[in-house]
Amino acid sequence: AQKITQTQPGMFVQEKEAVTLDCTYDTSDPSYGLFWYKQPSSGEMIFLIYQGSYDQQNATEGRYSLNFQKARKSANLVISASQLGDSAMYFCAMTPGGGADGLTFGKGTHLIIQP
Amino acid sequence: SQTIHQWPATLVQPVGSPLSLECTVEGTSNPNLYWYRQAAGRGLQLLFYSVGIGQISSEVPQNLSASRPQDRQFILSSKKLLLSDSGFYLCAWNPTSGLAKNIQYFGAGTRLSVL
Repeated sequence: AQKITQTQPGMFVQEKEAVTLDCTYDTSDPSYGLFWYKQPSSGEMIFLIYQGSYDQQNATEGRYSLNFQKARKSANLVISASQLGDSAMYFCAMTPGGGADGLTFGKGTHLIIQP
Repeated sequence: SQTIHQWPATLVQPVGSPLSLECTVEGTSNPNLYWYRQAAGRGLQLLFYSVGIGQISSEVPQNLSASRPQDRQFILSSKKLLLSDSGFYLCAWNPTSGLAKNIQYFGAGTRLSVL
């Protein structure tokens, strides 16, 4: 079984600062994928970034980067130069690699960017 | 480009009434399809997934069922709704080939209130 742990229920960050959202995972699968999604108040889940367990480099997508530390089983999301529009719920998720299995989600972090 | 449509956006139903939520994907073929439910303030829980027409896998035994009558259509149903069926239901898809084959993309969701 897979498990995702997000230990920060809520965070307040000043606009333009960088923010790190924590995520640790547990799995016995040798191959897996790690994801971050953003959920604004509208409810839609927006894909942000993906990291495969065998990827050598940390994933980056614009202002988002994933700090992947395999030995520590962590996959923290880093948002550089935060903006007011970044205020939302953020979910870390994972899935076994190579199949059609669904995602296992953490409980999320509510990020609020303050002006 | 690929798009996912989910309707209705909001639904209020009495206890004991039937349910039918529909999800369709455009611009792709043979996608994997998923139904998730999100309780208030929680992460998403996988309900069903499908790798092809008529192929449904259930993750959580409950008062719901799913069907895939066409390649890009996924339906979530119930014969008699319970109060505990209230929640936010999200449909998702992922391609089965290409660079993005591991990434699930979500619809806008349906907010279901059972009264």
